[in-house]
Amino acid sequence: TQLLEQSPQFLSIQEGENLTVYCNSSSVFSSLQWYRQEPGEGPVLLVTVVTGGEVKKLKRLTFQFGDARKDSSLHITAAQPGDTGLYLCAGATGSNYKLTFGKGTLLTVNP
Amino acid sequence: NAGVTQTPKFQVLKTGQSMTLQCAQDMNHNSMYWYRQDPGMGLRLIYYSASEGTTDKGEVPNGYNVSRLNKREFSLRLESAAPSQTSVYFCASRDKSSTDTQYFGPGTRLTVL
Repeated sequence: TQLLEQSPQFLSIQEGENLTVYCNSSSVFSSLQWYRQEPGEGPVLLVTVVTGGEVKKLKRLTFQFGDARKDSSLHITAAQPGDTGLYLCAGATGSNYKLTFGKGTLLTVNP
Repeated sequence: NAGVTQTPKFQVLKTGQSMTLQCAQDMNHNSMYWYRQDPGMGLRLIYYSASEGTTDKGEVPNGYNVSRLNKREFSLRLESAAPSQTSVYFCASRDKSSTDTQYFGPGTRLTVL
């Protein structure tokens, strides 16, 4: 069974602060995805990283895939209350593209 | 374009009752998935269907059955509901053509008493 360890589980910060969420595994994934989920809704894809060492930026969000394709991080610069939500990482394996999800990081950004 | 739709949004069952959760997608995706989400457990795959006519077990299939009715629809059935099946259930479909994105429905919140 492939596991994705996500940390921290909870994060409460003030508006304007920076933060980093980590996603680690002992397994190699063909790609890794980050999702954001708001209460009462399904997860929505933020980004997919495929190549070891890859860095992708989405406005104030920076995503990095580890060189060995076993870990990833999400860095948010100058967090805003609108960033509040559950952030999930998910690793993809196999031709049927089954995703293994981490347990999520619940982020609260206080104004 | 509605994306992925799920019905019902909420359901309360008594132990031993049966029910079917419905899922449909209008994006012409081949692959569809059923997940359950529990506090502190993340999303766990119950069953998936790589293409019309095929289904396979995921991580937590016990107590569930699925039917891929056609390319659009993928249903999840609980034959004899148990309190341990209280959860939020999400259906997803996969867009293979771009970044292998999985698109999720809004979820069904199920409580088994």
